This record gives sequence, structure tokens and C-alpha cells, in this order.
Amino acid sequence: AQTVTQSQPEMSVQEAETVTLSCTYDTSESDYYLFWYKQPPSRQMILVIRQEAYKQQNATENRFSVNFQKAAKSFSLKISDSQLGDAAMYFCAYRHGSGYALNFGKGTSLLVTP
Amino acid sequence: DAGVIQSPRHEVTEMGQEVTLRCKPISGHDYLFWYRQTMMRGLELLIYFNNNVPIDDSGMPEDRFSAKMPNASFSTLKIQPSEPRDSAVYFCASSLGPLGTFGSGTRLTVV
Repeated sequence: AQTVTQSQPEMSVQEAETVTLSCTYDTSESDYYLFWYKQPPSRQMILVIRQEAYKQQNATENRFSVNFQKAAKSFSLKISDSQLGDAAMYFCAYRHGSGYALNFGKGTSLLVTP
Repeated sequence: DAGVIQSPRHEVTEMGQEVTLRCKPISGHDYLFWYRQTMMRGLELLIYFNNNVPIDDSGMPEDRFSAKMPNASFSTLKIQPSEPRDSAVYFCASSLGPLGTFGSGTRLTVV
């Protein structure tokens, strides 16, 4: 079974600064997808960014980017120019290439201070 | 597109009662998932359907839990009888392809 580990239960960043959230995963598969989801207090699960394992280029979505290290099975999320609205729980998730269900990490709570 | 619609948003029930959670997926999506979120266990998959057929229910915790998808636009998750340890947020998600969309969840409290 695939496992997803987020080793940082809580992180804090000042507004306008950069923060990196860590995620590692364990799999024997070569075809898979990785995701970062944001869950604000409203509890809505919002997709932030995704990465296909076969792509070497790191995904980027505006202020959000990932550092995908396939050999190390690491998938960290970098948030640049942090904003107060970025405060939320962030979940790393894995999906097998031929499956559709997501396997989530335990989450990292991000606090953004003015 | 109204997104994935779950009802009710909050549910408080007494131990031993039957609880039914409802989900309307996005039209045209062929996969539907039920997840449960707790502080202790995080987000875990309970069951998922493809074209209304249950594919994997290995995450359903006990026989007290059952899920149905009678048609492409509706699914239910039923707990009977409910217990305090069932208190959690239950999410429904639907997808067409690799990306899924989550509903807003139902917060269930069993007292």
C-alpha cells in the first residue's frame, strides 16, 4: 500500500515570505500522480497543484510550485509571497496511475502572520 | 456547474440512530468517492463507484456502513446504528479522469 507522510504538523510564515511544506511518499509503482490540496476553515478541499510522475518538469501554478524528487520520493510545496488567505491545512495526496482514489497525508497546518 | 453537492452540511444524531448522508456528483462524472476525515486518522477513502457500480469498499469500517448509487446523479452513505466514534466530516467527491472535485462535506456528530 502506498503511504504519504507529511512530517510537519504545523508551519508558520510571515506575509510576503516564502514557505516550503514537505511530503514524502512510498510506492513501488512508476505511474502515479501527486497532488497538494488546501483546506481552509470552510473545510472545502481545493486542489492547489498536481504533478504527473512521468514529467520531469516541476509543476507551477502562480505562487505555488513543487519540488518533485522522484528518486527520493519527495514532493514539497513552495508558496511564494505568502498571503493571509493562504492560511489553511495543506494535504499531500498520491494517486496510482490506473486508479482514481486518493491516498492522503495527515496534513500540515499553515499559519500566516502579518 | 454547481459542483458536488452534499447534504446535510451538519448532522447531529443520537447514538443508535440511523444516519443518511447524500451526495449529488457533477453531471457527467463517472467516478464517485466517499471519504471520511477525523483528527486521528486524517482523510481516508471509504468506498468508490464507477458508473454507479461499487469498485472498492475495503475502506468501509464496519457492516454498519453502507453506500449506494442508484443512478448517476445520486449517492447515499448510511450508518445504522450510529456510534459516537463515527463522528467525523464525510466528503463526497466525483471525477471524470484523474482530477476530482470535492463537495463541502457533512459534519456528523453522534452524541
